[in-house]
Amino acid sequence: EADIYQTPRYLVIGTGKKITLECSQTMGHDKMYWYQQDPGMELHLIHYSYGVNSTEKGDLSSESTVSRIRTEHFPLTLESARPSHTSQYLCASSESSGGYNEQFFGPGTRLTVL
Amino acid sequence: GQSLEQPSEVTAVEGAIVQINCTYQTSGFYGLSWYQQHDGGAPTFLSYNALDGLEETGRFSSFLSRSDSYGYLLLQELQMKDSASYFCAVRSTTNDYKLSFGAGTTVTVRA
Repeated sequence: EADIYQTPRYLVIGTGKKITLECSQTMGHDKMYWYQQDPGMELHLIHYSYGVNSTEKGDLSSESTVSRIRTEHFPLTLESARPSHTSQYLCASSESSGGYNEQFFGPGTRLTVL
Repeated sequence: GQSLEQPSEVTAVEGAIVQINCTYQTSGFYGLSWYQQHDGGAPTFLSYNALDGLEETGRFSSFLSRSDSYGYLLLQELQMKDSASYFCAVRSTTNDYKLSFGAGTTVTVRA
């Protein structure tokens, strides 16, 4: 079944630790995105990719980094987690059609940095 | 850049009709989308308007007026399961076709 997956779903970690949030999709989509969302707030785009070896910064500045070595995989890494990174991180993907751009979202990772 | 405005909260009873307005400012407007999100879970796509007019999908309809930079989502025959946050999102031709989301409207449906 075509889907988009994120692991872990919940993560509680101490300050200074390195973490990687995983995102994989089986829909063959070229475009992938990472959003950061605080409770009750809007989604802020922090990274996106238009295909393998393509990564761009989003509209919201983030200390995280991403990579896109395979079409289906778009991990996000924080080298040194801080309490200010506490948030929900949502991964999404979409087709590369020139028109309409429905994005499919994963279930998210709720990150808490102590 | 892009900016979107939508009401923060709406409360209604089961069976009622709710309209969520969204006004936007953007250069190179391409289209307006609506997403639903339950309790901070995965947002799911509801509708998309690129041209003026009304798009109907079951109990939900979405409207766009490009000249007024305005759209709305209409929820009819409200059900308890419709309690969620609803986000409008604009796609701009000058922003690499990424989506910019509004702050969301929390809809609470009461019995």
